[in-house]
Amino acid sequence: KQEVTQIPAALSVPEGENLVLNCSFTDSAIYNLQWFRQDPGKGLTSLLLIQSSQREQTSGRLNASLDKSSGRSTLYIAASQPGDSATYLCAARQAGTALIFGKGTTLSVSS
Amino acid sequence: DTEVTQTPKHLVMGMTNKKSLKCEQHMGHRAMYWYKQKAKKPPELMFVYSYEKLSINESVPSRFSPECPNSSLLNLHLHALQPEDSALYLCASSQDRRPGGDQPQHFGDGTRLSIL
Repeated sequence: KQEVTQIPAALSVPEGENLVLNCSFTDSAIYNLQWFRQDPGKGLTSLLLIQSSQREQTSGRLNASLDKSSGRSTLYIAASQPGDSATYLCAARQAGTALIFGKGTTLSVSS
Repeated sequence: DTEVTQTPKHLVMGMTNKKSLKCEQHMGHRAMYWYKQKAKKPPELMFVYSYEKLSINESVPSRFSPECPNSSLLNLHLHALQPEDSALYLCASSQDRRPGGDQPQHFGDGTRLSIL
C-alpha cells in the first residue's frame, strides 16, 4: 500500500529565503505526483503536477522535481514571501486509485 | 476563484437531520471525487464517479450517499451522521476518462460540516 511522507511537518523562515519541501513515497509505480497549497479552512489549490516520465516542473518561483527510483519529490520555493504561508501537500496518483496524500508541511514566512 | 464550486460553505446539522452537499464543475470533466478532511490531517478519498457512474467507494458508511445526476453535478446526501463526521468535505474533478488516470485533480473550497 502506497504511503506518502512529508518532512518537515512545519517550517518557519524569514522573508526572502529559498526553501525546499520534501515528499517521499514508498511505491514508485505512480502515474504522477501533484503538489497542492491549502490555506486555513480552504480547499486545495493545485500548484504543480509532475508526470512519471518527467523530472521537474516549474511555475514562477516554484520548482518541483521527481525522482521515481528513489521515491522522492521536492518543492523548491525561491525568494519566499509572507503570502506563501500555507500548508503544502504532496499527493501520489496510482492506477485505479485517486490521490494518496502526505500529511503536509505547514510553512510560515515572516516579514 | 476555484472552477469547482461547492455549496454550502458551512453546514451545521443535528444527528437526525437529512442534508445534502453540492458540487458543480463546468470544465467538461468526466471524473468527480468526494474527499473528507479532518483537522490537521490530509484529505481521504470517499467516492469516485466516472462518467456519472460510481467507480470507487472507499468503504464509506451508508449514512453518506453520493449521487451524480449529470456530468457537471455531484451531490453527497447526509443522514443520521455522527459527531465524528464533522470535517471539511472536498469535491474534486479531473479529465480522466477512466478511474485512476493521470490527469490533475481540481478541488473546490469545500464544505465545513459540523454535527451537533
